[in-house]
Amino acid sequence: DAKTTQPTSMDCAEGRAANLPCNHSTISGNEYVYWYRQIHSQGPQYIIHGLKNNETNEMASLIITEDRKSSTLILPHATLRDTAVYYCIVRVSMNYGGSQGNLIFGKGTKLSVKP
Amino acid sequence: EPEVTQTPSHQVTQMGQEVILRCVPISNHLYFYWYRQILGQKVEFLVSFYNNEISEKSEIFDDQFSVERPDGSNFTLKIRSTKLEDSAMYFCASRPLGGYTFGSGTRLTVV
Repeated sequence: DAKTTQPTSMDCAEGRAANLPCNHSTISGNEYVYWYRQIHSQGPQYIIHGLKNNETNEMASLIITEDRKSSTLILPHATLRDTAVYYCIVRVSMNYGGSQGNLIFGKGTKLSVKP
Repeated sequence: EPEVTQTPSHQVTQMGQEVILRCVPISNHLYFYWYRQILGQKVEFLVSFYNNEISEKSEIFDDQFSVERPDGSNFTLKIRSTKLEDSAMYFCASRPLGGYTFGSGTRLTVV
């Protein structure tokens, strides 16, 4: 089972920031927080990941609480094309050699960006 | 930007028939995966493949399923005798040491 809890759905106005929360209270010290999204039955798309520091890339920002029990994905200026299901996944880093790496998807948050 | 390519995009097959879903992962990636998503349900892990062998598989991946990387570029998923409940989107993914790249999927419809 997924080790994260996310709201089932959220709405956001176009051009505004979308803040998607995720609870992962049982996260282990060596587990990262990964975010993926899936636009209407397309393949899941990687967004961002982090361990404990806040991270930012061209798509989004990831804010992780100091106790690492929760995080927030921020899309700074949501567009209609950001309408998707957003998945928060915790697992050990994939930046090492070895055979592990399968992702366990939960139900995610369905984000609807409205004009 | 490099892509994971899956063919066909949609396949219809009769129950009991064998089907092969094809994937071309990104060329320098080391790890390969198949996931599936039944309509309206979660994305589910099927199998991972590394160093020319299966490294992990889920309980879904029973004896009816097999994977191959026959020529160093293609990565295939075979279902020997399809059942109605195999109808789903099947996603291939690959990765280097870091994060995943997923393909756009094959929609398998078993009739």
